[in-house]
Amino acid sequence: ETGVTQTPRHLVMGMTNKKSLKCEQHLGHNAMYWYKQSAKKPLELMFVYNFKEQTENNSVPSRFSPECPNSSHLFLHLHTLQPEDSALYLCASSHDGAVVGELFFGEGSRLTVL
Amino acid sequence: AQTVTQSQPEMSVQEAETVTLSCTYDTSESNYYLFWYKQPPSRQMILVIRQEAYKQQNATENRFSVNFQKAAKSFSLKISDSQLGDTAMYFCAFMNRDDKIIFGKGTRLHILP
Repeated sequence: ETGVTQTPRHLVMGMTNKKSLKCEQHLGHNAMYWYKQSAKKPLELMFVYNFKEQTENNSVPSRFSPECPNSSHLFLHLHTLQPEDSALYLCASSHDGAVVGELFFGEGSRLTVL
Repeated sequence: AQTVTQSQPEMSVQEAETVTLSCTYDTSESNYYLFWYKQPPSRQMILVIRQEAYKQQNATENRFSVNFQKAAKSFSLKISDSQLGDTAMYFCAFMNRDDKIIFGKGTRLHILP
């Protein structure tokens, strides 16, 4: 248990649906991340938030919309997704001043787009 | 562009054997960090070991050690006395001066009883 919780663990949605992924950490970390994990591809960084401010948007399509209301919560709002968006979406957090490069990951949300 | 390459998509070894996972990377920077992360089946990914590029000594964490060859841009992970619990996907990663962490595609390791 790393202290990062993601819900739901599994999500199936149609291309016209709107859904959200939630991530929560109570580790006191200041930075939170969304990564996309697809089979046979490198882990892709999508978004980074530091102290609630978005500091990285890695050319992610607008059908993915992140929201970070506070340093402990991170959402990924999904709408009009495509089948190729099916993947495991990982949330992670980190803390400035801690072990350099140590990310604390959640278990992921497995998304299937029909 | 900075890239991380893991050339072994999948490996299997017998329990108690030693296994080495390969990783190469490409960067023009001289100072950076390298990592190995472990993702067990249906469980959270965790940091296994970390290496700072300016340190010549290879990092070691219990049964896990690295062979860092800076000139060759190689960073392999050695797991000694492998255990069933070592079964996982292993990701090599690189952190640049912008603190962005770049991951490889991963190597799926099976430890066989």
